[in-house]
Amino acid sequence: SQTIHQWPATLVQPVGSPLSLECTVEGTSNPNLYWYRQAAGRGLQLLFYSVGIGQISSEVPQNLSASRPQDRQFILSSKKLLLSDSGFYLCAWYPTNTDTQYFGPGTRLTVL
Amino acid sequence: SQKIEQNSEALNIQEGKTATLTCNYTNYSPAYLQWYRQDPGRGPVFLLLIRENEKEKRKERLKVTFDTTLKQSLFHITASQPADSATYLCALDRGTGGFKTIFGAGTRLFVKA
Repeated sequence: SQTIHQWPATLVQPVGSPLSLECTVEGTSNPNLYWYRQAAGRGLQLLFYSVGIGQISSEVPQNLSASRPQDRQFILSSKKLLLSDSGFYLCAWYPTNTDTQYFGPGTRLTVL
Repeated sequence: SQKIEQNSEALNIQEGKTATLTCNYTNYSPAYLQWYRQDPGRGPVFLLLIRENEKEKRKERLKVTFDTTLKQSLFHITASQPADSATYLCALDRGTGGFKTIFGAGTRLFVKA
């Protein structure tokens, strides 16, 4: 069966520090992968999506970037974190021939 | 601009009653609508999907209705239980592989024993 992993689960970082969040999917190949951010009281905001290795599309220009170095690995990065980058970051994947996204457990990022 | 609205106030109901959550949208033509459950500190979990040409969908104690004229979906949990307490998100999708899915902020449901 397919599973999706994210790490770390929680992270506290100072302003101006770098960031790297990782997402991996098991049990499938060539999945569509997504990064979302969820702020308190707000809907999920799509940040990036990828349909294949090295293929990244950005939905919202910001302080973050994404990379997909391997088929089932999706990384969210920042060179210098801002206070506004705090939030709950979710990775999701979209099995082909389905209409549903499956989410990972999320990473709670607090920037101080 | 596209907008999806869910009742921001928490819904408190007594165990055994039916919980009804509302999702309204504007400036969007969805191919389908989804409902997810999200527990605190966890990722959303898919519950039900209903397509634009469907009026109603059921799964165990869950029922979803979809009115594309009113631009509204209702999500019902019958015989509610304390374990149903969670935040419920609705999401609209044009069927383009998730690239244009938009999510509501969710409604928090509390079921009291």
